[in-house]
Amino acid sequence: DGGITQSPKYLFRKEGQNVTLSCEQNLNHDAMYWYRQDPGQGLRLIYYSQIVNDFQKGDIAEGYSVSREKKESFPLTVTSAQKNPTAFYLCASSAGQPQHFGDGTRLSIL
Amino acid sequence: GESVGLHLPTLSVQEGDNSIINCAYSNSASDYFIWYKQESGKGPQFIIDIRSNMDKRQGQRVTVLLNKTVKHLSLQIAATQPGDSAVYFCAENPLSGGYNKLIFGAGTRLAVHP
Repeated sequence: DGGITQSPKYLFRKEGQNVTLSCEQNLNHDAMYWYRQDPGQGLRLIYYSQIVNDFQKGDIAEGYSVSREKKESFPLTVTSAQKNPTAFYLCASSAGQPQHFGDGTRLSIL
Repeated sequence: GESVGLHLPTLSVQEGDNSIINCAYSNSASDYFIWYKQESGKGPQFIIDIRSNMDKRQGQRVTVLLNKTVKHLSLQIAATQPGDSAVYFCAENPLSGGYNKLIFGAGTRLAVHP
C-alpha cells in the first residue's frame, strides 16, 4: 500500500536528550513536511523540503533539525534546545496539493 | 487516544441530519483551500479541496462552499453518520507562501449522536 509511515507512535524524551522521529513515504512525492500539533490548536509548520538535499525552516523551526538525503525519508530531530517538546508530530508529503499525512508520533517528556 | 481538540468548538448533530462546519480564513490572496478530517490518534485525512476560481465543489456526501467576499469557507456533510465524528480542519494556501504551504485553522469537533 502507498502511504506515509511515522515511527515510533509514542516516544519519550529525557531532559537534555535529542530524539529523532522517523518519516518514510512510498508515494514518490518530492515535497515533505513536518508539523507540530498542540491540544486545541491547528497544525504549525516546523520544516519542509521540496526536493532531496534541500529543506527550509517553517514557522516554528527553533529547537528542531531535519535532513533529506533520500526522497523517501525526512527524519526530524527534536533537540535539547526545544524547551517544550511535548506535542503530536505529523509528517506529510505531496506532489503539489493536497498534502497527505502519516498517523503521527506523540512525544512526551519523562 | 490523542488529546487533540480538548478545547475546540464543538458541533453536535443527530445522526441523519446535515452538518455545516464553518471556517474564516485570513488571507484574501489565498488561492487554494482544503478540508481535513482527523480522528483521535490519527493523522489528518483529506476530504475535499477547492480553488479560488470556484465557489462550490461537491464530493460524496460533502460540499465545500467558498465566499471570497467575506473570506469564509464551509463544509457541508449530508446525512451525518457516527463515523463522521472527528475534528475537522480547514486550511488555506496563501500565494505569498512561494510553495505548497498550508495555514491551518484551529479545528472544529463534530459529535454525532444516535
